[in-house]
Amino acid sequence: GAGVSQSPSNKVTEKGKDVELRCDPISGHTALYWYRQRLGQGLEFLIYFQGNSAPDKSGLPSDRFSAERTGESVSTLTIQRTQQEDSAVYLCASSTYGELFFGEGSRLTVL
Amino acid sequence: AQSVTQLGSHVSVSEGALVLLRCNYSSSVPPYLFWYVQYPNQGLQLLLKYTSAATLVKGINGFEAEFKKSETSFHLTKPSAHMSDAAEYFCAVREMNRDDKIIFGKGTRLHILP
Repeated sequence: GAGVSQSPSNKVTEKGKDVELRCDPISGHTALYWYRQRLGQGLEFLIYFQGNSAPDKSGLPSDRFSAERTGESVSTLTIQRTQQEDSAVYLCASSTYGELFFGEGSRLTVL
Repeated sequence: AQSVTQLGSHVSVSEGALVLLRCNYSSSVPPYLFWYVQYPNQGLQLLLKYTSAATLVKGINGFEAEFKKSETSFHLTKPSAHMSDAAEYFCAVREMNRDDKIIFGKGTRLHILP
C-alpha cells in the first residue's frame, strides 16, 4: 500500500487479556518503530527494528510487552495480561533516510 | 544516547502573531533533527527536517527551524500564526550516520487565540 497500515484501529479489551496489534510498513522501508501515546502525552519509544539487526527493545515498559517483525515486512506488538495503564494509542512508523512515516495508530482501551 | 527537550507543554499565541516552539537536543554525535505535527484526530506528519545541509530549514505551511549547534537548539518558528496551525508539535532527534532510533520530545500543544 501507499502508507503505513495498522490494525485494528480500535480495540477494547478486558483487564488481563492479551492483545495483538499489527503494522504493515511501507514496502522497502528497512526501519520500523513502535511508539505509545497516552492521552494528552507525548510519544513514548517502545521498540525499533532495523533490517536484520537485533531490535532495540530498550523502550518496552515491562516483560508483558513484546514485538516481532518478519523480515522487512509486517510487525506485531503483543501485550500480555493487559492492565488499565496500557490504554493508549499505539503508533507504528516505518522509515527511510531518517524520515518517519506514521500509521493512523491502534487505540487500545483496557476496561 | 540522544534526547530531546521541548520547553512548554502548551503555548498560546494570537492569530497573526509570531509562533516560537522551543526544542533543545542532546547528542554525542551530529544529529538529524525533525519537527512533526499532529493535527486534531489525525496522524503525525513531517513538518521539516535538518540533515546537515543548510542550518535554516523551511517546511510546510510556512514553518521553519534553525539548527544552532552552539545552543544545541532547533526551535520552530512561523512569522504569522493561523487558526489552522492549532496542533501538537513534536521535535525529534536521531544521531547522524548511526543505525539508531529516533527519539521524540514530549510535544508542545499550540493554541491559537482569535
